[in-house]
Amino acid sequence: GIQVEQSPPDLILQEGANSTLRCNFSDSVNNLQWFHQNPWGQLINLFYIPSGTKQNGRLSATTVATERYSLLYISSSQTTDSGVYFCVTKDMRFGAGTRLTVKP
Amino acid sequence: DTGVSQNPRHKITKRGQNVTFRCDPISEHNRLYWYRQTLGQGPEFLTYFQNEAQLEKSRLLSDRFSAERPKGSFSTLEIQRTEQGDSAMYLCASSLSLLAKNIQYFGAGTRLSVL
Repeated sequence: GIQVEQSPPDLILQEGANSTLRCNFSDSVNNLQWFHQNPWGQLINLFYIPSGTKQNGRLSATTVATERYSLLYISSSQTTDSGVYFCVTKDMRFGAGTRLTVKP
Repeated sequence: DTGVSQNPRHKITKRGQNVTFRCDPISEHNRLYWYRQTLGQGPEFLTYFQNEAQLEKSRLLSDRFSAERPKGSFSTLEIQRTEQGDSAMYLCASSLSLLAKNIQYFGAGTRLSVL
């Protein structure tokens, strides 16, 4: 199956800072998604982004399918952004996630 | 649209007992997925259905686990003869699969504790 690697594994930010999370995948994908799992465990779909760039408020994502990676950008981070961010490929395989902590 | 609903939210059982979880997907979603998540790990895929057909099962799904989606709507996941290693959060997701696009929506999960 497709291997998914996320980096960094952990990230601590001060409120207001920007960050970039990365997802590398081992084979071509046509169904790359980013999820946020909040501290209560709820998984929320952020982006469906098999290729190109999308933006939603302070968040944006870019997938370069030919180079097998995707990036999630978080600007002006807020404490409510804390949690774990996962990327997921077409065979329902989750990465290990990036645990983000935003401090006030 | 009430989202994906899972019941119960929490289940505590003794080793060797059988447990059953239920998932009600978003109406008209044709796909339904089951995942398992342990502390500090990402969700691990267990199985998925397209309508009532179970199309894929992970090797993680031992013969003690069985899932059904009899009418293509709600699904149940049963674990027989539970073991302490089965303790985890069991997550359900549903999606409306259109061509290659397949956006998943997750329920809040059922947390299983096997004593």
